[in-house]
Amino acid sequence: GAVVSQHPSRVICKSGTSVKIECRSLDFQATTMFWYRQFPKQSLMLMATSNEGSKATYEQGVEKDKFLINHASLTLSTLTVTSAHPEDSSFYICSARSGLPAADTQYFGPGTRLTVL
Amino acid sequence: SQQGEEDPQALSIQEGENATMNCSYKTSINNLQWYRQNSGRGLVHLILIRSNEREKHSGRLRVTLDTSKKSSSLLITASRAADTASYFCATDARLHQAGTALIFGKGTTLSVSS
Repeated sequence: GAVVSQHPSRVICKSGTSVKIECRSLDFQATTMFWYRQFPKQSLMLMATSNEGSKATYEQGVEKDKFLINHASLTLSTLTVTSAHPEDSSFYICSARSGLPAADTQYFGPGTRLTVL
Repeated sequence: SQQGEEDPQALSIQEGENATMNCSYKTSINNLQWYRQNSGRGLVHLILIRSNEREKHSGRLRVTLDTSKKSSSLLITASRAADTASYFCATDARLHQAGTALIFGKGTTLSVSS
């Protein structure tokens, strides 16, 4: 199956700093990428959807100025958590889907655990 | 946003028993998928059932879909300790102008003791 990677797998940062998480589709071109957030013992919540070359569409309640998403190429999307605070500590998971007809499968990355001190 | 609910929220069984988890959703769907997640790890895709299918099997997994009731069930037969994990259903929801995306239910935490 298709492979999606994330880097880093875990990151610890100080409050007030910015953190960038990369999501790559390794063996297919991802026209659409998704970012999810998962707090402990909870489900995945969709944060935003991005189509290559377009601005990301954010879900209600997600601050676009705090969670900057860039999808500049068909194989790379980045999520930058700006001025991170302890409440941003979470498991961030990206997902990618190709633009092929009838390609309705989303492939998930392994996740990035962010801890803000 | 979350599409629906799973029940039970938590399930504890003995090895060899069957485990049944249910999922309800709110909107019309093209397909419904089940995922598994071990604690602190990524998602593992288990099975996809399309809206025109009623039942699907994969190894020890059996999934049913009732679109009239907007519900699905996942049955794991002859459970093993290694099946201990959280299980999520996910449906493809049409979002604003961004197309569709998988929206996850709240999940069921399954604990299988030996």
